[in-house]
Amino acid sequence: KAGVTQTPRYLIKTRGQQVTLSCSPISGHRSVSWYQQTPGQGLQFLFEYFSETQRNKGNFPGRFSGRQFSNSRSEMNVSTLELGDSALYLCASSVLPAANTGELFFGEGSRLTVL
Amino acid sequence: AQKVTQAQTEISVVEKEDVTLDCVYETRDTTYYLFWYKQPPSGELVFLIRRNSFDEQNEISGRYSWNFQKSTSSFNFTITASQVVDSAVYFCALSELNRDDKIIFGKGTRLHILP
Repeated sequence: KAGVTQTPRYLIKTRGQQVTLSCSPISGHRSVSWYQQTPGQGLQFLFEYFSETQRNKGNFPGRFSGRQFSNSRSEMNVSTLELGDSALYLCASSVLPAANTGELFFGEGSRLTVL
Repeated sequence: AQKVTQAQTEISVVEKEDVTLDCVYETRDTTYYLFWYKQPPSGELVFLIRRNSFDEQNEISGRYSWNFQKSTSSFNFTITASQVVDSAVYFCALSELNRDDKIIFGKGTRLHILP
């Protein structure tokens, strides 16, 4: 069974640019959650999508957005990049909504560097 | 608001020693889940355990054990006879099923097992 796939794995952008990250969940999983991981802040919740609907959103500015497609694949977008957006962005999938199951399957992450 | 505190940022122990990772949580909800995840150097978070708020029984899985105490709002994780392969960052997490309905992670404890 294929795991959670995130692309791209690494990317470098400059301030002001925008970026789109992709996440393909495990087949049959309808929930996709996104987290930002930084050394100082640990894992911070960005948002969760379930069956193409955003279920929940963390405390991030509107520059961070996402969506989920009918095949459960999800994308997140960050516009007007800032230096502080440099982080590892993790995607996790689950069969049920994340909080109801807790057993999230994580991808390897997309490491974004903003120069 | 829900909160997870892992006061130990980094711990180093010699192989074969026992080690306990602390986790303290805050919640106003009576129905919640607690979790532990492991993030090895390769980067991919791996689910270890889930406990619900109504089940305070301790759990043992091989060398791993978990102590859940509602009276002190703690969910501690002990590794017995540690091994080098246990070196990783360990995250404690919480979800409130009746409120925020999202999984919030602590900042993690980096565990070094020295040979």
